[in-house]
Amino acid sequence: ETGVTQSPTHLIKTRGQQVTLRCSSQSGHNTVSWYQQALGQGPQFIFQYYREEENGRGNFPPRFSGLQFPNYSSELNVNALELDDSALYLCASSQLAGDGEQYFGPGTRLTVT
Amino acid sequence: ELKVEQNPLFLSMQEGKNYTIYCNYSTTSDRLYWYRQDPGKSLESLFVLLSNGAVKQEGRLMASLDTKARLSTLHITAAVHDLSATYFCAVDSPDNAGNMLTFGGGTRLMVKP
Repeated sequence: ETGVTQSPTHLIKTRGQQVTLRCSSQSGHNTVSWYQQALGQGPQFIFQYYREEENGRGNFPPRFSGLQFPNYSSELNVNALELDDSALYLCASSQLAGDGEQYFGPGTRLTVT
Repeated sequence: ELKVEQNPLFLSMQEGKNYTIYCNYSTTSDRLYWYRQDPGKSLESLFVLLSNGAVKQEGRLMASLDTKARLSTLHITAAVHDLSATYFCAVDSPDNAGNMLTFGGGTRLMVKP
């Protein structure tokens, strides 16, 4: 069984640029959720994708957008990067009808300068 | 809006001692999760608690859930250095479509020899 993978591991961008982060979900899972974790804080829910559609969204502006593909992999896109977007971005996969347990990937560390 | 609070935020303890981490949440839910995070790493699932009165144990850690009090506890028995990490509780609100977690701020545990 393959676990959740994310790419890239680290990324440095300049304010105003755009970034795309990628996630491959664990086999057998149909739901992908994205979380932002600022340094020293708990993860915050960004949005969730189920069957290629956004299934729920946290308190994040529209410049945070995403996609889910037929193989359940997913992308997180952030436009017009701000310094406060610097964080660890975590992808989690789960089975929507299951016990809700989410399996997290290793994360992408984004630094905006 | 669902809020999740953990206390203490920081815990320094001696090896061999016992202690409890508390997780309070603000709205009705019967789905609560505990995660462990090592520095610079992703989240590791520890416990899934899905009903009132649920109790689960793994090694020196035991988690419980009281949905009426909106409280979960993570009890550490005879702490060892390897337990040093940050522990997060997370709650899945019944108001959403499922599997969208609200995290507490984390408890940073340091176990000293």
